Amino acid sequence: DAGVTQSPTHLIKTRGQHVTLRCSPISGHKSVSWYQQVLGQGPQFIFQYYEKEERGRGNFPDRFSARQFPNYSSELNVNALLLGDSALYLCASSLDPTPYEQYFGPGTRLTVT
Amino acid sequence: DQQVKQNSPSLSVQEGRISILNCDYTNSMFDYFLWYKKYPAEGPTFLISISSIKDKNEDGRFTVFLNKSAKHLSLHIVPSQPGDSAVYFCAASGYGGSQGNLIFGKGTKLSVKP
Repeated sequence: DAGVTQSPTHLIKTRGQHVTLRCSPISGHKSVSWYQQVLGQGPQFIFQYYEKEERGRGNFPDRFSARQFPNYSSELNVNALLLGDSALYLCASSLDPTPYEQYFGPGTRLTVT
Repeated sequence: DQQVKQNSPSLSVQEGRISILNCDYTNSMFDYFLWYKKYPAEGPTFLISISSIKDKNEDGRFTVFLNKSAKHLSLHIVPSQPGDSAVYFCAASGYGGSQGNLIFGKGTKLSVKP
C-alpha cells in the first residue's frame, strides 16, 4: 500500500509569492494534519482536517490556510511568503482525528528567497 | 515556552549497548506520548507510544517509560544497532482541545557506532 505522498518534493519561492502544497493520505485515512519543521526544531502543528472540516489550528498567521477534498487529499496554502516560512512542511494522515499513530509523508522542502 | 523538551541534542552509543533518550514535559494535561524516528529526507516514522495511565510499554527492542510525577519519559533501545542512527522526536497530545495536535520536542540525534 502506498504511504502518504506529498508534492512537490522541493520548492523555491520569492518573498511575497504564494505557494500551494499537496498531500495524499493513506488509502482509508480520513484525517490529514499539516506540520511545519524549521531546521533544528521539531515539527509544529499547523492544521488538522477530518471529513473535509477543520478540526484544529495551530498558532500560525492567517496567511496559512488549508482545505481537504472529497477524496481526503489536502492542500496547504501560504500567502505573502516570508523568509521565515522556509521549512520542511509535513503532512500526516490517520484513520480518525485522534493523534495516535499519525503517518507522515516525506515532506515538501520550501525555500523562500 | 517549550512544553516538550529534549535536552540532549545528540547521543552516541556503541553497537549492542543500551540507548536511553530522555524527554521532559511541562503540561500535566498531556495524556498520550509518542516517539518518532526520522531519517534524513524522510518523514517521521511512528515508533512506540504510551498512555498516561501506564508507566511502561514495550515493543521488541524498544521500551518507553513514563514517570508522571516527574513529568518525564524515556525511550530505551536494547541492543542498539547502527540502523537505529536517526533523529528521535518525543511528542505529546491531549492539551488544547485539538485532538490531532501533536506537540514535538526538538529531537535527539542518535548515532550508533559499529
